[in-house]
Amino acid sequence: DIQMTQSPSLLSASVGDRVTLSCKASQSIYNSLAWYQQKLGEAPKLLIYDANSLQTGIPSRFSGSGSGTDYTLTISSLQPEDVATYFCQKYYSGWTFGGGTKLELK
Amino acid sequence: EVQLVETGGGLVQPGRSLKLSCVASGFTFNNYWMSWTRQAPGKGLEWVASITNSGGSTYYPDSVKGRFTISRDNAQNTLYLQMNSLRSEDTATYYCTRMDYYVMDAWGQGASVTVSS
Repeated sequence: DIQMTQSPSLLSASVGDRVTLSCKASQSIYNSLAWYQQKLGEAPKLLIYDANSLQTGIPSRFSGSGSGTDYTLTISSLQPEDVATYFCQKYYSGWTFGGGTKLELK
Repeated sequence: EVQLVETGGGLVQPGRSLKLSCVASGFTFNNYWMSWTRQAPGKGLEWVASITNSGGSTYYPDSVKGRFTISRDNAQNTLYLQMNSLRSEDTATYYCTRMDYYVMDAWGQGASVTVSS
């Protein structure tokens, strides 16, 4: 089974910072990667699919990159409403989520 | 507007059964694969089951295979999850999700399931 590992598990940043979250697969997942945002008490929301495609309605400060086994979610300028937990998910050969990165304001 | 509304959650004893339902609206239900994903209290997300748009094929992780059954009624725009032989580790919020090319692009608000004696 392909495992998904996210780092860091907790990230503190200031408003306006450029923030980078990492997701690593145990083998290549051929860009079959999505990122989800989950705010406290809410259902997850799709941000990015196919590693770098922005879901409709998502602000352009969110972007995804990567290939093979290593992927990144970047927030170009952190906003207060971006405080949330972020999950990556592979959908190549089944569906598996990473453990999540909790993003908080410094 | 896409809406997914889960019902059927609650408190159930270990070893018993429970059936969740998800009513979909705002899109052509029979065009989409659907899935269930769960989240244990304070934990991450775990995919539980998926079903093709026709209902002809289903997929499960090993953790629930043989105990859970996903099904759908396209005439009623409804997705189901039959959960048998429930265990304490099945305690979670269960989300109904729409799948667009294998990506979970819409989520319901979730149904809470607690397995406890």
